[in-house]
Amino acid sequence: GDSVTQMEGPVTLSEEAFLTINCTYTATGYPSLFWYVQYPGEGLQLLLKATKADDKGSNKGFEATYRKETTSFHLEKGSVQVSDSAVYFCALSPGSNDYKLSFGAGTTVTVRA
Amino acid sequence: GAVVSQHPSRVICKSGTSVKIECRSLDFQATTMFWYRQFPKQSLMLMATSNEGSKATYEQGVEKDKFLINHASLTLSTLTVTSAHPEDSSFYICSARESVGYGYTFGSGTRLTVV
Repeated sequence: GDSVTQMEGPVTLSEEAFLTINCTYTATGYPSLFWYVQYPGEGLQLLLKATKADDKGSNKGFEATYRKETTSFHLEKGSVQVSDSAVYFCALSPGSNDYKLSFGAGTTVTVRA
Repeated sequence: GAVVSQHPSRVICKSGTSVKIECRSLDFQATTMFWYRQFPKQSLMLMATSNEGSKATYEQGVEKDKFLINHASLTLSTLTVTSAHPEDSSFYICSARESVGYGYTFGSGTRLTVV
């Protein structure tokens, strides 16, 4: 079945450092891909998404490109801030009538001042 | 933007009692809602998919008689944890999919502690 493999953390960075979180997927058909962020004690918030190959999702300085050839959707940010400290989840939806999201294990990111 | 309100945010209950968690879509219609469970420092585990007006579809290994899901309208789904035990303590999150357009909106979660 469809699945998402996400880089395990935790990841600790200094402010203004470059962040990359790797995400690869296994799916049949043409899935949609998402990154969600979860701040402590809160639910998930959609960070960005891409619905077809070569699409680039971007938001709040974060970017991820849907790479069908490498089945990847890596998350990047060029200069992180303390406020970016959170848990990041890569997720996949089959994109057909099956609306279920499959989540990666999550990566905890801590940014230190 | 789309908002999903989940209540309560925290609840403590005694073993053997039941707890109801509500999930409401405030400004859109959600024909499908999802209920997840999240253990500490782990990912979300889908428990069930709830379609308005029909019975919920449970994932393998989830007890449907223990986790009762009702989706009576396009804006409200409820999860009732019946005869709760300490092992049911967890973070429960709902999500709603917009029936028009594309997107999943998550509630803020409910921290359930069974003592």
